[in-house]
Amino acid sequence: QVQLVESGGGVVQPEKSLRLSCAGSGFTFNKHAMHWVRQAPGKGLEWVALISDDGKRIYYTDSVKGRFTISRDNSKSTLWLQMNGLRTEDTAVYYCTREGFRAVFFDYWGQGTLVTVSS
Amino acid sequence: QSALTQPPSASGSPGQSVAISCTGTSSDVGGYNYVSWYQQHPGKAPKLMIYEVSKRPSGVPDRFSGSKSGNTASLTVSGLQAEDEADYYCSSYAGSNNLFGGGTKLTVL
Repeated sequence: QVQLVESGGGVVQPEKSLRLSCAGSGFTFNKHAMHWVRQAPGKGLEWVALISDDGKRIYYTDSVKGRFTISRDNSKSTLWLQMNGLRTEDTAVYYCTREGFRAVFFDYWGQGTLVTVSS
Repeated sequence: QSALTQPPSASGSPGQSVAISCTGTSSDVGGYNYVSWYQQHPGKAPKLMIYEVSKRPSGVPDRFSGSKSGNTASLTVSGLQAEDEADYYCSSYAGSNNLFGGGTKLTVL
């Protein structure tokens, strides 16, 4: 069965860095675009970033451009989110999500990893 | 990159139907048939309920249906059941990004 397992969350001070990982299994990783979606405590969902199946197309929400970098290694079925210059408003549960095959929706979600930015 | 607009809350009694709206613009909801809906129970990851406006993934009860008119999409839950109580989020493709609605808390009275 499809599984997405995030790791790397934790407590970090403002302006510091953190790298999140997402290990995919149970599907052909290189056939799906992947996204990161976050949810601040008690708030709604916010799309963060997209990387195409081949890694050639990458997009970010405006608030993280220049600070976050999404990447993937299809040989390892792994997705990453490098987060630099973290701000308190980046505090959230970060979900790794799979995009449907040649589609535009999120058909599988990981369990999420909590990132807390606090001094 | 403004969020889509959803009512913060909705409610209905068991067996009733309830509709949740999701309003965007011609650059997102109105411009593409790529609206999807997600159900989220407390402390859990979201679950896909509807994709491409009105399609249901395998395993989602046919009590859940979706539609769209102009810049507004809707999720209708018919024959409400206690387990339908959750937060619901709409999402739309918007060119180089994706947007979510602010979420609607559905209460089964």
